[in-house]
Amino acid sequence: DGGITQSPKYLFRKEGQNVTLSCEQNLNHDAMYWYRQDPGQGLRLIYYSQIVNDFQKGDIAEGYSVSREKKESFPLTVTSAQKNPTAFYLCASSIDDWRGDTQYFGPGTRLTVL
Amino acid sequence: AQTVTQSQPEMSVQEAETVTLSCTYDTSESDYYLFWYKQPPSRQMILVIRQEAYKQQNATENRFSVNFQKAAKSFSLKISDSQLGDAAMYFCAYRSEGRGTASKLTFGTGTRLQVTL
Repeated sequence: DGGITQSPKYLFRKEGQNVTLSCEQNLNHDAMYWYRQDPGQGLRLIYYSQIVNDFQKGDIAEGYSVSREKKESFPLTVTSAQKNPTAFYLCASSIDDWRGDTQYFGPGTRLTVL
Repeated sequence: AQTVTQSQPEMSVQEAETVTLSCTYDTSESDYYLFWYKQPPSRQMILVIRQEAYKQQNATENRFSVNFQKAAKSFSLKISDSQLGDAAMYFCAYRSEGRGTASKLTFGTGTRLQVTL
């Protein structure tokens, strides 16, 4: 089965801790994205990657970091510098980043700060 | 910057009836892409339908169709023969023709659709 997996489904973080959200895809897609969803709002882009070892900041990158060591994987780290990290995080991928390639989403991770 | 507006926070439709969800957007670009995504209670975003701005023909996918009015910057979604499984949040999204972070999706705030018996 081809698709995008995210883990864990629910994550709890104490103040001052860094946590890492996993995103894996077996669709052979080049482009991968991280979005954040807050109540009553649409999704906002955190980070984007088009190839291995290259990524670009999105609209709300402060307090987040990413890596892209393998084509299939694009983990997101929420650092202690992120002031309000409680949100729903969605990972997406597309074949490439041009000609309006459709983005497909994973099931998401709900992060709660205790 | 592009913006997407969904002015209907909630809509309700009876099973087997037709409902139309509204979306307007603001852009200075001539080439772009528009999408409707569905987010059921599981919260996974599922693609419903996609429209290329350079195509005049409205996209259709089974019971789902769009009314794309480029000059008016309007992109509404029509759901025919509504089913209980259609109950979800529906998001309208805009994508630029650009690459890199310009390939991001810009979302509206969503419309919650209820389907009643």
